[in-house]
Amino acid sequence: NAGVTQTPKFQVLKTGQSMTLQCAQDMNHEYMSWYRQDPGMGLRLIHYSVGAGITDQGEVPNGYNVSRSTTEDFPLRLLSAAPSQTSVYFCASTKPQGASYEQYFGPGTRLTVT
Amino acid sequence: AQSVAQPEDQVNVAEGNPLTVKCTYSVSGNPYLFWYVQYPNRGLQFLLKYITGDNLVKGSYGFEAEFNKSQTSFHLKKPSALVSDSALYFCAVRARNSNSGYALNFGKGTSLLVTP
Repeated sequence: NAGVTQTPKFQVLKTGQSMTLQCAQDMNHEYMSWYRQDPGMGLRLIHYSVGAGITDQGEVPNGYNVSRSTTEDFPLRLLSAAPSQTSVYFCASTKPQGASYEQYFGPGTRLTVT
Repeated sequence: AQSVAQPEDQVNVAEGNPLTVKCTYSVSGNPYLFWYVQYPNRGLQFLLKYITGDNLVKGSYGFEAEFNKSQTSFHLKKPSALVSDSALYFCAVRARNSNSGYALNFGKGTSLLVTP
């Protein structure tokens, strides 16, 4: 299994541009989520999905959209990039089973908005 | 609401000495607690978790953590630190009755530096 994969690894955008961060997992996990990591702030939840066709907002959803058309993929869209969205973005997945719940993280996408 | 506090931004330890990275939590009801480690320019890796049962949890790379309900703490420990343990450590919590899917609330992270 490749686990959780994210593309691209690095991206530079100009203010106002849009882009999609890709996330895929091959572990048949129902639950997927997007976090952003900023220095001194830990990881903050942007959006999550409990299964195909179901998404919901996390702690910091503004400026981001998600969709979940398949179990495997959970793309994150930046509609109009702003410098405040400069961050490292992590996708994670888990298969709630028994008392498991640990999340598996992708390698991250480092985004800079100028 | 659920939250985690990691009171130390950085912990410095000499190689071979024991290490402790502190974590306290706040949730309604019983928690699920986790520790993750992040090496430079990498994603987060799962270390260990407390779900129920024995308060002392053993995890990867010789790490362990003790769940203390009365002090609402879940400190990460290792008897003998290695230089290779130097990394960023995150504590995370999820309330058993959380309505945000299976999302975790993370602390701000503690940078561990082990010197030779």
